[in-house]
Amino acid sequence: GQQLNQSPQSMFIQEGEDVSMNCTSSSIFNTWLWYKQDPGEGPVLLIALYKAGELTSNGRLTAQFGITRKDSFLNISASIPSDVGIYFCAGQPYSLIQGAQKLVFGQGTRLTINP
Amino acid sequence: AAGVIQSPRHLIKEKRETATLKCYPIPRHDTVYWYQQGPGQDPQFLISFYEKMQSDKGSIPDRFSAQQFSDYHSELNMSSLELGDSALYFCASSRPGLLETQYFGPGTRLLVL
Repeated sequence: GQQLNQSPQSMFIQEGEDVSMNCTSSSIFNTWLWYKQDPGEGPVLLIALYKAGELTSNGRLTAQFGITRKDSFLNISASIPSDVGIYFCAGQPYSLIQGAQKLVFGQGTRLTINP
Repeated sequence: AAGVIQSPRHLIKEKRETATLKCYPIPRHDTVYWYQQGPGQDPQFLISFYEKMQSDKGSIPDRFSAQQFSDYHSELNMSSLELGDSALYFCASSRPGLLETQYFGPGTRLLVL
């Protein structure tokens, strides 16, 4: 089945540093989504990408939908303590059928920030 | 803005018992998805419903069943619970269209003893 390979698995950075993480797959995806999850809570949507090559920003976050439709990256600039958490990429596998498509998740990137 | 509501937030059950988890989607969202997340794992898709019909099925055990009701809320029924069923169970909702996005609820933490 479709699998997403997310890297790195964990990051330890200093406050104020920039962060970059990415997801790759051997399969094509219709949609790429990036979520942040705090312990014991539900994933919170950060950025949604719908078109190959699309570059979207949300405050200090920037994400891109790879041109091959098989990868995506998320950048966080000038990290702050509240950025701590687990970041998941998720993709909707390519399908000719619109709507109601499940999400396949990456393994997550655990971000730790030293103040 | 209204979000996805899940109940209960926490549930403790004994082995072989049954459990029912409820999900209330965001208003005007007609599609519901259920995911299971084990400790340290990524969410795994279980099942989804669109307009009260099952639309997709993932790695959901035969002991589990789910349905979507006329008001679009959904229930996940889990029977003959096993220790390995202990996990976070998330419901997500979306409004199908060209730019479909899934929004997740806060989850139900199920502990099977």
